[in-house]
This record gives sequence, C-alpha cells and structure tokens, in this order.
Amino acid sequence: RKEVEQDPGPFNVPEGATVAFNCTYSNSASQSFFWYRQDCRKEPKLLMSVYSSGNEDGRFTAQLNRASQYISLLIRDSKLSDSATYLCVVNLGSNTGKLIFGQGTTLQVKP
Amino acid sequence: DTGVSQDPRHKITKRGQNVTFRCDPISEHNRLYWYRQTLGQGPEFLTYFQNEAQLEKSRLLSDRFSAERPKGSFSTLEIQRTEQGDSAMYLCASPGQGNYGYTFGSGTRLTVV
Repeated sequence: RKEVEQDPGPFNVPEGATVAFNCTYSNSASQSFFWYRQDCRKEPKLLMSVYSSGNEDGRFTAQLNRASQYISLLIRDSKLSDSATYLCVVNLGSNTGKLIFGQGTTLQVKP
Repeated sequence: DTGVSQDPRHKITKRGQNVTFRCDPISEHNRLYWYRQTLGQGPEFLTYFQNEAQLEKSRLLSDRFSAERPKGSFSTLEIQRTEQGDSAMYLCASPGQGNYGYTFGSGTRLTVV
C-alpha cells in the first residue's frame, strides 16, 4: 500500500464549478500535511498547509481528519488557471523532515 | 526566483554516460533534499543532508548514484553509467520554517537515450 494515496483523475470540470480532491495516508504518526500544486513540467509549489481545524485561503479549503487519516482540498468557483496537478503531502515528523508525496490529482478546468 | 537553484535545467545523455547535477539551496539552510519525479508520479525521496553530512538514503539510490555536499552549501548528485530508467526530473529542496513544507528548485530534467 502506498503511504499517500490519491485518485489521479483527471478531473474535468467547467469554469465556476466546485471540485473536491481526497487523499488518504497510512502512517498514523504523520504530523504535518500539505497540498502542493504542480504545473506541467514545473516544480511543485506549496499551495497550503492543512490543519485539523480546517483552513481556508480564498477559494481553497483544506481539511484534515486524523481519525480517518484523510485529507481533502475543495476548490470553489474554479478558474481556467486552476488547471494543474494537486499533490497531497505528508510529513512524518521524524528527524529527517522528509515529505512523502502522493501521486497527484490532475485537474482540467474547461471554459 | 524560488531561492533554490538547479543546474542544468535539461540534460540529454547517452546510455552509459555519467552525469552530474548541481543544487544551490536557500542560503543558511542546513538541510537539503533530493527527490526524483517520473511522469505521472509524485516526487520520491532520494536523500538528504544536514550540513555536509548525508543522513539518509532511499533504496531508490542505487550504487550508481552518489550525492555530496562538501561544504554544507551547494550539493551535487552524480549518476554513473546512466540507464534509460534514470530518465526523470531531479528536484532539490530546502525546508521551510516551521510547518511550511519545502521550497523546490526548478529541477533538472534528465533524458537518457
């Protein structure tokens, strides 16, 4: 079983739609959580951290459920520019500070 | 400008040749990470340094791979006797503060022909 699992998609949605991505992680000792965005042939860039209390950044809302080991990302009023791959990322909190990445979920927003 | 620089951006090499990549992390950051990303997959951890010490290596890092960080600043990743399966994006990263994840460099895209 992969340490971080995501549905690779692709998710094809019209502009203005709301879309949700989910992710599960296997290690209950995981301590911090992130969503990264990656554009085609570019490096991953931090989109937002994820907290148990849930956090929102404009049209983006992230949620963590530690009991279910489940992370979500909600994008409201999607824009063409949101088209990218979204990577779910977990930090085990070990001395290494190593991040474990999911496969990524591809989003394509259509006009 | 991400603050992490990688060179070269692209490298095409013939199978069996050796290649070396360079990473200049965010200055004064003690830790430096190398990742590899193949098409359709997320980045996979290769190795990391705390200053000049290489503290962990993934099983993905075969004996053809070697990484160094001689003065605790820039790092190099060398692949000897390249194989087609080595074709990937090689990413270097500096950690952020607190709970802020990593900053990645633009990566080196290696194509082995």
